[in-house]
Amino acid sequence: ETGVTQSPTHLIKTRGQQVTLRCSSQSGHNTVSWYQQALGQGPQFIFQYYREEENGRGNFPPRFSGLQFPNYSSELNVNALELDDSALYLCASSSDRTGAYEQYFGPGTRLTVT
Amino acid sequence: AQSVTQLDSHVSVSEGTPVLLRCNYSSSYSPSLFWYVQHPNKGLQLLLKYTSAATLVKGINGFEAEFKKSETSFHLTKPSAHMSDAAEYFCVVSLRVGLNTGFQKLVFGTGTRLLVSP
Repeated sequence: ETGVTQSPTHLIKTRGQQVTLRCSSQSGHNTVSWYQQALGQGPQFIFQYYREEENGRGNFPPRFSGLQFPNYSSELNVNALELDDSALYLCASSSDRTGAYEQYFGPGTRLTVT
Repeated sequence: AQSVTQLDSHVSVSEGTPVLLRCNYSSSYSPSLFWYVQHPNKGLQLLLKYTSAATLVKGINGFEAEFKKSETSFHLTKPSAHMSDAAEYFCVVSLRVGLNTGFQKLVFGTGTRLLVSP
């Protein structure tokens, strides 16, 4: 069984640029959620994707967008990067068949905006 | 609205002594609660979960938690700390996303850093 993988591991971008982060879900999981974890804080829910559509969204602006592909992998895109976007971005996969109560996290992508 | 409050930002113990990490929840109905652990520069690992079955939940690495409705608590315990337990621990509640209960998002507490000294 393959776990959740994310790429890249680390990324440095300049304010105003755009970034794309990638996530491959665990085998058998069809739902992907993205979280932002700022330094010293708990993760915050960004949005969730199911069947290639956004299923729910947290309190994040529209410049945070995502995609889910037929193989259930997902991308998180952030436009017009701001310094406060510097954080660890975590992807979690789950299955609607088990009620999505268990979410399995990837190792994260550390984004630094300068 | 459902939320969790972790009562301690830092807990220090000696190796071999008991661990207690405290968490209170706020919920208008029976919640689903979790504890996750995050080691430095690593992702989150599920320690244990409570989903309205047995109130005493056993997890990995010797951890357990007890759901106490009367106290609205879900404290995490371990009889004997090990050096490898040093990490950040998050108490988490799940909330429904949209209308279908099959979809949940996780709401994290602020975390408790566990320090284990030799």
